[in-house]
Amino acid sequence: DVVMTQTPVSMSVSLGGQVSISCRSSQSLVHNNGNTYLSWYIQKPSQSPQLLIYKVSNRFSGISDRFSGSGSGTDFTLKISRVEPDDLGVYYCGQGTQYPLTFGSGTKLEIK
Amino acid sequence: EVQLKESGPGLVQPSQTLSLTCTVSGFSLTDYSVHWVRQPPGKGLEWMGVMWSGGSTAYNSALKSRLSISRDTSKSQVFLKMNSLQTEDTAIYYCTRSTGITPDYWGQGVMVTVSS
Repeated sequence: DVVMTQTPVSMSVSLGGQVSISCRSSQSLVHNNGNTYLSWYIQKPSQSPQLLIYKVSNRFSGISDRFSGSGSGTDFTLKISRVEPDDLGVYYCGQGTQYPLTFGSGTKLEIK
Repeated sequence: EVQLKESGPGLVQPSQTLSLTCTVSGFSLTDYSVHWVRQPPGKGLEWMGVMWSGGSTAYNSALKSRLSISRDTSKSQVFLKMNSLQTEDTAIYYCTRSTGITPDYWGQGVMVTVSS
């Protein structure tokens, strides 16, 4: 299975600030079809996960441009700019390039 | 509006079989795939398997011997059955839609506790 490693485990940021979350995979996420199936989710307290970013850098419908994804191969980053109170929660990266789909262990974002 | 809703028993006895239903609306099961993902309390996400839009399935090999996913397209429902439940199967079970491979819309989840 592809192991997804997220850092940091938790972080605290001031409102209006910027954060970066790292996600590394144990194998390249480039699929045979040329796509890279790396996605980012937020799980707000007591809610189900919500898709933010798919295929590394594509924002899902309705997602603010404050969220951006980048990276390639095995190394990926989620950046959140101008942090707002509603951004608090646990962020997960996930891969769909290989079965089984796997997720990182999460990064908890707290607001100072 | 895309919606998914999980339903099933909240409590299952050890060694028994879990049966869950995911009822969807706002899209067709023949156009989109539906995955099952679970989350033990306070822990991360585990992908269990998928009912592809074409009707085939794929399972997490760690669960494959105990897991079955099926569907009834006329009722817009996807079913999960997992046997030989143990306490470590206690989790929130989610169904989630995908366009292609990436899960996008998620249901609210159903908490399943395995206990005698």
